[in-house]
Amino acid sequence: GAVVSQHPSWVICKSGTSVKIECRSLDFQATTMFWYRQFPKQSLMLMATSNEGSKATYEQGVEKDKFLINHASLTLSTLTVTSAHPEDSSFYICSARIPRGEQYFGPGTRLTVT
Amino acid sequence: SQQGEEDPQALSIQEGENATMNCSYKTSINNLQWYRQNSGRGLVHLILIRSNEREKHSGRLRVTLDTSKKSSSLLITASRAADTASYFCATDGDQFYFGTGTSLTVIP
Repeated sequence: GAVVSQHPSWVICKSGTSVKIECRSLDFQATTMFWYRQFPKQSLMLMATSNEGSKATYEQGVEKDKFLINHASLTLSTLTVTSAHPEDSSFYICSARIPRGEQYFGPGTRLTVT
Repeated sequence: SQQGEEDPQALSIQEGENATMNCSYKTSINNLQWYRQNSGRGLVHLILIRSNEREKHSGRLRVTLDTSKKSSSLLITASRAADTASYFCATDGDQFYFGTGTSLTVIP
């Protein structure tokens, strides 16, 4: 099956700093990548849809200036949490859609803001 | 948006027993996937079953798909303590759905 990786898997940062999370499709080209947030014991919440070479589409209630998404290539999308605050602490998961339509999830990145 | 549910929400069994989890959805799908997530850890892809498949096996895992009932089940046979985790289904098709999961506890 298709493999999606995320880096880092875990990050702790101080309040006010920015954190970049990478999502890579390792063995396929992904025209579309998605970013999700998962709160404890809950399902995933879609934050934004990222298409290669174009601006991301954000879901209602997600601040685009706080969660910057860049999909620079067909195998890489990045999510930057700017000026992070403790309430941004969460599990961030990306997924990538392969050309024939299947979607695969990355392992996730745990962000802790102190 | 919510388009289905999983049951049970939580399940506790003895080691060696089988565990069955169910996932129901509402719209047409291209495929359905099951993922495992250990507490505080990332998602691990278990198995993908396409809409034209009815059953799939992978080791101790058996997944069934009934598109007429819009449901899938995940069976873990001969469970082990290491199987303790949350299990999620995700559907891809007319509408993407990622479930709230079933929390499985296997007691040694």
